[in-house]
Amino acid sequence: AQSVTQLDSHVSVSEGTPVLLRCNYSSSYSPSLFWYVQHPNKGLQLLLKYTSAATLVKGINGFEAEFKKSETSFHLTKPSAHMSDAAEYFCVVSPYSEGGKLIFGQGTELSVKP
Amino acid sequence: SAVISQKPSRDICQRGTSLTIQCQVDSQVTMMFWYRQQPGQSLTLIATANQGSEATYESGFVIDKFPISRPNLTFSTLTVSNMSPEDSSIYLCSVLDSYEQYFGPGTRLTVT
Repeated sequence: AQSVTQLDSHVSVSEGTPVLLRCNYSSSYSPSLFWYVQHPNKGLQLLLKYTSAATLVKGINGFEAEFKKSETSFHLTKPSAHMSDAAEYFCVVSPYSEGGKLIFGQGTELSVKP
Repeated sequence: SAVISQKPSRDICQRGTSLTIQCQVDSQVTMMFWYRQQPGQSLTLIATANQGSEATYESGFVIDKFPISRPNLTFSTLTVSNMSPEDSSIYLCSVLDSYEQYFGPGTRLTVT
């Protein structure tokens, strides 16, 4: 069965410092992996996606993620946090055999301190 | 990119009643999905709704409780039937368009 595990339910950083949100996945096949962001009372927005091309994926707003098959990880990073980055982040896997269906991790709440 | 609207954006309902949520897309899409996000929780897929076929429900969700219609390629409805406080959640519609998945703004439902 496909699944994702977000290793931290809450991460707090200071503005201007790096962000690391951790995600491990479980998949029998090479999966499609995504990071979505959900700001308070806003809809879900796609940050980036991995679909078996380059292992380092660049997304919007300076975020990037690296697919590491040997570690079954897809961690999200940003060199310098901004106050506007405070939100809930979801790591998501799309099973190879079930096109379009998404399996969400439990989410990581990112807080950014001034 | 597909733009999705949902109606209503929020509602407060009494237990035992039903609510129908509408999802409208600005382009024709084959695959539509309904998700639930319970308070403080992640998103869980309720069902996949493809035009011209019966909706496919995930484990733990049944058609009697969450009937879905998909009359055409731009519209779908989800009904939450015989509601209880445990149904209080955000319900989100999403579509697969050109290999990208887009989400609606959600319908925030509170059951009292």
